[in-house]
Amino acid sequence: GAGVSQSPSNKVTEKGKDVELRCDPISGHTALYWYRQSLGQGLEFLIYFQGNSAPDKSGLPSDRFSAERTGGSVSTLTIQRTQQEDSAVYLCASSLEGPRRSGNTIYFGEGSWLTVV
Amino acid sequence: AQSVTQLDSQVPVFEEAPVELRCNYSSSVSVYLFWYVQYPNQGLQLLLKYLSGSTLVESINGFEAEFNKSQTSFHLRKPSVHISDTAEYFCAVSSPFGIIFGKGTRLHILP
Repeated sequence: GAGVSQSPSNKVTEKGKDVELRCDPISGHTALYWYRQSLGQGLEFLIYFQGNSAPDKSGLPSDRFSAERTGGSVSTLTIQRTQQEDSAVYLCASSLEGPRRSGNTIYFGEGSWLTVV
Repeated sequence: AQSVTQLDSQVPVFEEAPVELRCNYSSSVSVYLFWYVQYPNQGLQLLLKYLSGSTLVESINGFEAEFNKSQTSFHLRKPSVHISDTAEYFCAVSSPFGIIFGKGTRLHILP
């Protein structure tokens, strides 16, 4: 499709289980971002990929969170041993170039709603 | 480090009244500034952005924002709101270090 695609759109998981969230950015976009949106917390930056460079992981909340981007395109965010506080909407976004290059517009996916019970 | 502060978590306003959503940022380097909007049950989308040049930028649906470097602000305004403007609005700052968002302001339009 033409936009950023995320899957699953909704995920309910039991506490302690691992989950994988997938993001397919807009074709040709070199930069990819993951954010977490929680009620009352706004948009929390998690991780940023620029092309094939090592990602900026400074926003990951704990070592249970990891992300990879294969071939400079699709990205997977993995949360291990999920906790109830991980419940949130996980948003993926992409831009043609990264923020280091210029003030490029970033385009968001619809998000993956994660509920940990 | 950069940060973005949206002073109001919610703003109620009557239909056809003016509105201002406040945004302040802090940064030690030059920045680009954005407002994104999230309508109910939809994803985030760009409303307007300031990169350089004129400090007043406008969107196609009547919103405008003014970059004020001395006050480190980028407040969003609309002279007359409509029910369709009901949404959450996010201010964001882009710098060489990444894109940071504020916590958002929910705009409630009262009939």
